[in-house]
Amino acid sequence: GQQLNQSPQSMFIQEGEDVSMNCTSSSIFNTWLWYKQEPGEGPVLLIALYKAGELTSNGRLTAQFGITRKDSFLNISASIPSDVGIYFCAGQLIIGGGADGLTFGKGTHLIIQP
Amino acid sequence: GAVVSQHPSRVICKSGTSVKIECRSLDFQATTMFWYRQFPKQSLMLMATSNEGSKATYEQGVEKDKFLINHASLTLSTLTVTSAHPEDSSFYICSARQSGGVSDTQYFGPGTRLTVL
Repeated sequence: GQQLNQSPQSMFIQEGEDVSMNCTSSSIFNTWLWYKQEPGEGPVLLIALYKAGELTSNGRLTAQFGITRKDSFLNISASIPSDVGIYFCAGQLIIGGGADGLTFGKGTHLIIQP
Repeated sequence: GAVVSQHPSRVICKSGTSVKIECRSLDFQATTMFWYRQFPKQSLMLMATSNEGSKATYEQGVEKDKFLINHASLTLSTLTVTSAHPEDSSFYICSARQSGGVSDTQYFGPGTRLTVL
């Protein structure tokens, strides 16, 4: 199936630094979601975006739904050790009353150096 | 937030046997559930959409006769991997769709690690 272009693939940062990652797609979505996955576990929803241009925060996390509906970014401010993990963007197209499954990016592996 | 459970969390089986994985939405009703597969160090790939009371919809390249899906109630979907082979070894994750108002969010289960010997 289709995949989103997510970058960067991995990030090595120092604790306290800000983090930015983004996703782009060749097709539009009407929902963008950001998840975090830790080894051996299912993804956990971080932020959901439902409107083009929407900017939403969840604690130190901020995400935006691009105006073109083909991209989204996630920022993490003042990173801490527990932010380590793999972050996935996901796009969803909802038509009528039904929803498609999610199309996932390949993930950004965040590694925090002490 | 909404809670989705999966059972078992991990299973090891012999080649040629069948394995059933359950996905339950614990505190909401889900008319739609989704099944994903994730190979090591890769992203999640949608396998099929499970609709309560109707046949599942499979993604291209996913064999419906090999991956049997049953969504008999609003809180339970099952995935049965029939005649499993080592190449079916993977992390299988379900999600349940919670809809309401303008939001439509998928919540994921913790995953099931399948190892076929």
